[in-house]
Amino acid sequence: NAGVMQNPRHLVRRRGQEARLRCSPMKGHSHVYWYRQLPEEGLKFMVYLQKENIIDESGMPKERFSAEFPKEGPSILRIQQVVRGDSAAYFCASSPPDGGSTTDTQYFGPGTRLTVL
Amino acid sequence: AQSVTQPDIHITVSEGASLELRCNYSYGATPYLFWYVQSPGQGLQLLLKYFSGDTLVQGIKGFEAEFKRSQSSFNLRKPSVHWSDAAEYFCAVGPRSNDYKLSFGAGTTVTVRA
Repeated sequence: NAGVMQNPRHLVRRRGQEARLRCSPMKGHSHVYWYRQLPEEGLKFMVYLQKENIIDESGMPKERFSAEFPKEGPSILRIQQVVRGDSAAYFCASSPPDGGSTTDTQYFGPGTRLTVL
Repeated sequence: AQSVTQPDIHITVSEGASLELRCNYSYGATPYLFWYVQSPGQGLQLLLKYFSGDTLVQGIKGFEAEFKRSQSSFNLRKPSVHWSDAAEYFCAVGPRSNDYKLSFGAGTTVTVRA
């Protein structure tokens, strides 16, 4: 029973390039969350998605960042025209469909560590 | 708004000694509470969670935590630490229905000395 999968684990981009981070939720999970961890800080919520729907993107920067969770395939966090301040670890979490207390537990992937040169 | 405070940035403990990590939260109602552990370069692993019921919660790897409503605390404890417990520990609050964001504390780094 595979856990949450994220790839790549490490990503290096030059300023101005695009970064695409992928997340495959646990089997049977339909809710995906993205969090960002800046150096020396805890995780900060970015966006919550269900299949084909963005439910809450209140934690996403207004520009350059976007997320999707298509009907088929992984969830994608896309950062356009990256800047040095985007360097961070980006974590994806997933949870099961609504239906009990298990809904409220989020299971995290190993993260993608983005370095912007 | 919900928030979590972990007062200790770094704790050093001897192998075999007991460990307690503090967590205080601010929330409008009784929250769901979590402790996660992050080993260097790794993702977050759920240690334990509190939703309701017994306020003393048992988790994996010999950890336990106690919810104290009067103190708005959810401290994590382990009676005897192992070198493999060296990691960063995060306390988190939420989510409940329609409040799915996890709010994390800044973390406590635990160093275990031989």
